[in-house]
Amino acid sequence: GNSVTQMEGPVTLSEEAFLTINCTYTATGYPSLFWYVQYPGEGLQLLLKATKADDKGSNKGFEATYRKETTSFHLEKGSVQVSDSAVYFCALSDNTGNQFYFGTGTSLTVIP
Amino acid sequence: NAGVMQNPRHLVRRRGQEARLRCSPMKGHSHVYWYRQLPEEGLKFMVYLQKENIIDESGMPKERFSAEFPKEGPSILRIQQVVRGDSAAYFCASSPQGARTGELFFGEGSRLTVL
Repeated sequence: GNSVTQMEGPVTLSEEAFLTINCTYTATGYPSLFWYVQYPGEGLQLLLKATKADDKGSNKGFEATYRKETTSFHLEKGSVQVSDSAVYFCALSDNTGNQFYFGTGTSLTVIP
Repeated sequence: NAGVMQNPRHLVRRRGQEARLRCSPMKGHSHVYWYRQLPEEGLKFMVYLQKENIIDESGMPKERFSAEFPKEGPSILRIQQVVRGDSAAYFCASSPQGARTGELFFGEGSRLTVL
């Protein structure tokens, strides 16, 4: 079956620190991979995506590379800001199925 | 192009009442997904609909919950005889092409509180 496992939080970092949030997946077929971000009191927003192996998705300083050999899609940012404080969700869509599969979310708090 | 619109944003019900949540997908989107988010938990898939059809309802409780997406009008998630455990945020998302190629566009959620 399909599933997404992501690093448990909460994660607390100082401003300008390096961020990594781990995400691994299990999937049949050739999934597309996504990172979504949820700010307090809001819905999820797409942060970045990658649709095939070795693709790198990037947005707002965040990056993630689709690694088929390790079935991973880790989220990274070189220097976090207070405004990055949010919950981050790793997700996949299986191109043979009907669903999007979400990880449990990782809460990030960045302190000044 | 307006985003996914959900209403009400907040809903308070007493045990035993009905809750009706509405979702208008983005223009041109015919695929709608409903998710439930409990406090401090991730998103749980409930149901996937295309216009007038339920494609996958494997995540929706068999009793008290129902969903529809009529030809005209918004998608409705209906919870009958609500219980305290139904208190959660319910998110709707739409997609132009479903899971095969597309990403999901989320609404801001409807937060249900059952007293």
